[in-house]
This record gives sequence, C-alpha cells and structure tokens, in this order.
Amino acid sequence: QVQLQESGPGLVKPSQSLSLTCTVSGGSISSGSYYWSWIRQPAGKGLEWIGRVYTRGNTNYNPSLKSRVTISIDTSKNQLSLKLSSVTAADTAVYYCAKAGGTTGIDVFDIWGQGTMVTVSS
Amino acid sequence: QSALTQPRSVSGSPGQSVTISCTGTSSDVGVYNYVSWYQQHPGRAPKVMIYDVTKRPSGVPDRFSGSKSDNTASLTISGLQAEDEADYYCCSYAGSYTWVFGGGTKLTVL
Repeated sequence: QVQLQESGPGLVKPSQSLSLTCTVSGGSISSGSYYWSWIRQPAGKGLEWIGRVYTRGNTNYNPSLKSRVTISIDTSKNQLSLKLSSVTAADTAVYYCAKAGGTTGIDVFDIWGQGTMVTVSS
Repeated sequence: QSALTQPRSVSGSPGQSVTISCTGTSSDVGVYNYVSWYQQHPGRAPKVMIYDVTKRPSGVPDRFSGSKSDNTASLTISGLQAEDEADYYCCSYAGSYTWVFGGGTKLTVL
C-alpha cells in the first residue's frame, strides 16, 4: 500500500519561498499512470488544489497560483516537491500531497499524506 | 476558477438521512461527471467517499451515495451514525487539467 509523507520547514518568512517534499513509500513513484498533487488547507477553511505532476514530469497548476508554483518529481528519491515563491500570510496552511490514478481514476485523490503545517510569519 | 459552493453546516439525528449540496458552474460540475466527495475528521487527512458523481470506493458503506443535476452535485448519507460526524468536501474537474474544491460542510450528528 502506497503511503505519502510530507516534510519541510514549518515556518517561512514573508516574501521568501516555501519548499516542501513528499516521500512516497510502499511503491515506486514512477510506476503506473499516477499523478501526484499538492493540496492545501488554511486553518478552519476549505481545500485548495495547488497543482500536480505526472511520473514523466508533466505538470498542471491552479491558475490562481501558477505564477508562483513549481512542482517537480525525483524518481531516484521517490519524491515530489513543491516550491511556492513570494509567500504571504495567506499561504499559511496545512499542505498535503495526494496521489491520483489508482483504480478510482486519474481524477480522484485516493491516497493522502498526513499533511504538514506551514506558517508564514516574520 | 471559483470554489464550489457548499452549505456551511448540516445536521441530523442518528438513523436519519442528510443531503449536502455542492453548486458549481457550467465550466465544472455542470459539464463533467468527475465530481468526488471527501470526508475529513478533525486533524486527519481527507478520505474519498464518492467519485465520478455516483461511485463508491471499496470499503465505503453503501449508506453514502452521490448524484448530480445540472450544476449541482449532492452527497446523501442515510442511516446516520455518530462516526459520520465530520467535514465533507466536494471536488470537481474544472477543465484544462485543473481541479476545484468546495468550501466544506460540517456535518453534526445530533
């Protein structure tokens, strides 16, 4: 069973870049037709899809964040990464990585990491 | 791309049925049959309960069902149980390989 684990700094200063990593265990990040997404959730608020990367490195991003987001994949480390530039307090949230492309289809986030809290503050 | 609209909260007594609505537009919910529903308990990651509007993943009780009419999708939970108390989020494919979530609905089991 594939499992996901997010990691990265819990505190980022305004105007700097946020960088997170998601480590995939229990399977290869490059096997099958899997898509790997980043999704975030500000405290007490709803979910927001940030973007996704395919095993071959193709990416798609939320239009509202596209200018600041880079998602990449490192098959040698079985990891995907998120970089969000020029952060503000509005980027404070729990960040999840999630997998799509299992038996439920490429449009369904069927496995999620536990999430990692990132606070933007000076 | 705006968030899908859900009621902030719904409630029901054990054994009753509740329905949670999710209203989108003709650019997402109304045009694609790729609506999914996620259950989230406090401090936990979301879990998919319904996908492709009406399908249930293996292991999800058949008390959970989904439907769609025009720009509005719905999640119905019948035979409410205490463990169903959670936040529920809808999600729709929005075209151009992007996805949009709803704002979430808090379900209280009275």
